[in-house]
Amino acid sequence: GNSVTQMEGPVTLSEEAFLTINCTYTATGYPSLFWYVQYPGEGLQLLLKATKADDKGSNKGFEATYRKETTSFHLEKGSVQVSDSAVYFCALIRSAGGTSYGKLTFGQGTILTVHP
Amino acid sequence: DGGITQSPKYLFRKEGQNVTLSCEQNLNHDAMYWYRQDPGQGLRLIYYSQIVNDFQKGDIAEGYSVSREKKESFPLTVTSAQKNPTAFYLCASSIGRGYSYEQYFGPGTRLTVT
Repeated sequence: GNSVTQMEGPVTLSEEAFLTINCTYTATGYPSLFWYVQYPGEGLQLLLKATKADDKGSNKGFEATYRKETTSFHLEKGSVQVSDSAVYFCALIRSAGGTSYGKLTFGQGTILTVHP
Repeated sequence: DGGITQSPKYLFRKEGQNVTLSCEQNLNHDAMYWYRQDPGQGLRLIYYSQIVNDFQKGDIAEGYSVSREKKESFPLTVTSAQKNPTAFYLCASSIGRGYSYEQYFGPGTRLTVT
C-alpha cells in the first residue's frame, strides 16, 4: 500500500537557519504530493503541492521538489522565522483501483521549533 | 469567506455516551472526509463521502458512524463502541473526485472522554 515516511523530530533551529525536513514515499503509479502545516491548536493548511515528477512546489519561502527517482519530496526553507514553528506533514494522494477519490496518506508529522 | 466550520472546538463526554461532531462547509465541495489525529501520529481516515447520500469507510471506521444528507454537512458520531475515542478530529473537503485535488481542513474538535 501507500506510505509516507518523514524525518523524526522534533527539529529545533535558530531564526534565519536553513531548514530541511525529509520526506520519502511508497506508492504505485504517479501520486500527487503535498506538504501541510499545522499551527498549535489548529487544523491543517496546505503549504505546497506537486503533481508530477520534477515539479517544484513553493509557498511562503518554502520549497519542495517531486523526485521520482528517489521517491522523495523534501521540504526546504532558506531562512526560518519564529512564526514557522508548527507541525509539518508530508502527504500523498493516489487513486485506489478503479475509484478515484482523494484519499490522503500522511506521514507522522515533524515538529519544528524556531528560537529567536 | 468560504471555509469549513467544526463545532465545538472542545468536547467532553463520559464513557459510554455517544457524541456527534459537527462539520459544515460552504465551499460547494462534493467530497468530505473525517480524520483522527493522535499525538505523534499522522492523520488517519475514518470515513469519506464523495456525494450526498453516499459514504465509505476509511482505515479506522470501527466505532464511528456518519451521514451525508446535505452537501454542506457531514456529521460524525463517535459511538460507545469506539474503544479509545479521546483524540483530535479533523474534517476536510475537496472539490470532488480526482487524485490531484487538495483537501481543505477545518479547525478541528478535540474530544476528551473520561
